[in-house]
Amino acid sequence: GENVEQHPSTLSVQEGDSAVIKCTYSDSASNYFPWYKQELGKGPQLIIDIRSNVGEKKDQRIAVTLNKTAKHFSLHITETQPEDSAVYFCAARGGSYIPTFGRGTSLIVHP
Amino acid sequence: NAGVTQTPKFRVLKTGQSMTLLCAQDMNHEYMYWYRQDPGMGLRLIHYSVGEGTTAKGEVPDGYNVSRLKKQNFLLGLESAAPSQTSVYFCASSPQGSSYEQYFGPGTRLTVT
Repeated sequence: GENVEQHPSTLSVQEGDSAVIKCTYSDSASNYFPWYKQELGKGPQLIIDIRSNVGEKKDQRIAVTLNKTAKHFSLHITETQPEDSAVYFCAARGGSYIPTFGRGTSLIVHP
Repeated sequence: NAGVTQTPKFRVLKTGQSMTLLCAQDMNHEYMYWYRQDPGMGLRLIHYSVGEGTTAKGEVPDGYNVSRLKKQNFLLGLESAAPSQTSVYFCASSPQGSSYEQYFGPGTRLTVT
């Protein structure tokens, strides 16, 4: 089955800095890669996703890049703000409808 | 729309007791999922359903049962709770077709003593 590795497990940045979270996956058939943000006491919520026919996607301060050859994808957050502090999960989903999640990254943005 | 709702929000059980967690969605989604979230372990799939009347095992199904009698509801049962089942449980749903986004509920925090 699919295996998704996510790094780092914790990321601490100063407000205004950029943050990068990286994930690797094992199944070359995976074709959908979502990123979820989980705020304290809430359920995860989709913030951006990318499909295998696209190399990069951007939405305001958030961007995701995908390298299918190397089987890795990354989340980039620019100009971080304290409200970006949360746990971020990557996931990979192949031909089935069952995604495999990474273990999460706790992002802390210091004012 | 309320989206995905979960009942209850918190629960404390004694070892050996049973309970049912209810998940409801009002988005007419075909697929529904139950996850557990433990520190450092991410989201682990317990069971899932691809439509009314169907269920399937996920990554960590032991000690749990599920039922999907109605399309909008997905029930997770613990027949004999164990301390290892102390966790936060999330339900999610997703539509059929090319859109794969999952919509998560707010979670149920379960403590088994």
